[in-house]
Amino acid sequence: EIVMTQSPLSLSVTPGESASISCTSSQSLLQTSGNNYLDWYVQKPGQSPQLLIYLASNRASGVPDRISGSGSGTDFTLKISRVEAEDVGVYYCMQGLQSWTFGPGTRVEIE
Amino acid sequence: QLVDSGGGLVQPGGSLKLSCVASGLTFSDSAVHWVRQPPGKGLEWVGRIRSQSKNYATKYAESVTGRFTISRDDSENTAYLQLNSLKTDDTAFYYCCGPHATSTTSLDSWGQGTLVIVSS
Repeated sequence: EIVMTQSPLSLSVTPGESASISCTSSQSLLQTSGNNYLDWYVQKPGQSPQLLIYLASNRASGVPDRISGSGSGTDFTLKISRVEAEDVGVYYCMQGLQSWTFGPGTRVEIE
Repeated sequence: QLVDSGGGLVQPGGSLKLSCVASGLTFSDSAVHWVRQPPGKGLEWVGRIRSQSKNYATKYAESVTGRFTISRDDSENTAYLQLNSLKTDDTAFYYCCGPHATSTTSLDSWGQGTLVIVSS
């Protein structure tokens, strides 16, 4: 089983500043196709999770361009620029290469 | 859009069947996944069923294999999650999910979740 880890597990950010979340997988998520099977999701308070980034770096529909994903292999990063109040929530990475496994989540709060 | 239903209170060892009704997407061509979340905790992938063209192949997390079964009725645009031999650890919100149009391993649409409580 591929194990996903995230850091930090919680983050407090000043509005307008940037935030970065790291995600590491126990095995490479890079396929010969060149795709990294790593997604990012956010669960805002009282809501179902929603897809933010797919295949490591592609924004899902409606996701603002101040949110970006990067990385390859086993190390990935989600960056939120110019943090806003609406960014509060828990952010999860998930691998879809072998079955599906979520990371433990990173709670983002606004200072 | 996906709408989950069927949750409730059940005793340990009992059974429950959850439903997921889809609208506005090509349901019959899509896989359906189930993900669960114990109250206040993180997400756990439960299982998925593929489309008829993929022989309705199913795959499950090790924690539910042999106890949970996913099925679907394409004529009703509905997927099901049968939960048997329930344990207190199965208490969670259960979400059905549909895949992204181009990245089919990504979970692009989510139901609102239905709560299953396993308790005596």
